[in-house]
Amino acid sequence: QKEVEQNSGPLSVPEGAIASLNCTYSDRGSQSFFWYRQYSGKSPELIMFIYSNGDKEDGRFTAQLNKASQYVSLLIRDSQPSDSATYLCAVIWDSNYQLIWGAGTKLIIKP
Amino acid sequence: EAGVVQSPRYKIIEKKQPVAFWCNPISGHNTLYWYRQNLGQGPELLIRYENEEAVDDSQLPKDRFSAERLKGVDSTLKIQPAELGDSAVYLCASSPVGQFRQYFGPGTRLTVT
Repeated sequence: QKEVEQNSGPLSVPEGAIASLNCTYSDRGSQSFFWYRQYSGKSPELIMFIYSNGDKEDGRFTAQLNKASQYVSLLIRDSQPSDSATYLCAVIWDSNYQLIWGAGTKLIIKP
Repeated sequence: EAGVVQSPRYKIIEKKQPVAFWCNPISGHNTLYWYRQNLGQGPELLIRYENEEAVDDSQLPKDRFSAERLKGVDSTLKIQPAELGDSAVYLCASSPVGQFRQYFGPGTRLTVT
């Protein structure tokens, strides 16, 4: 069974610090990894995607992928109160292109 | 570019009543998804369309849920009859050809009483 696991949180981080969010997945066959942000009462929106091992940076966000250890993480530098949201990890398996979602980690940035 | 449009935004019905949700994807997006999201959970895929074809409906409760995507554009998701456990947010998303990035609509919050 394909599964995506995230710590539900809440994860509380002081403003200006680095927030680190983690996600593990069950099947080595997965190839594409996504981080979505979801504000309370809103729909998910894509903030990062990564396909290859290593780091991918976009502004204050860095996605890190380690396929051998089957985890993907999201780092948010210089955290702002506006980053407070639930962060959803999603994984696509090439066998059927089905996207499996984690339950999300709630992030709270404290001023 | 207009985003994914969904209606209604909110719906309150009594159990055993039917309900329908409508989705208009972003123009040119051939892939359309219907998800159900419960509070504190990630989205759960109900059905995925590639153009008019339902390519993944393995998690659609077919005894009470149905969906259609006529002409490969708009889509309708129906529940008949609704049960208390169907209360959730129903999300529609679309993707362009060859991409896995999904663009979500605002969702429909369904409350079954």
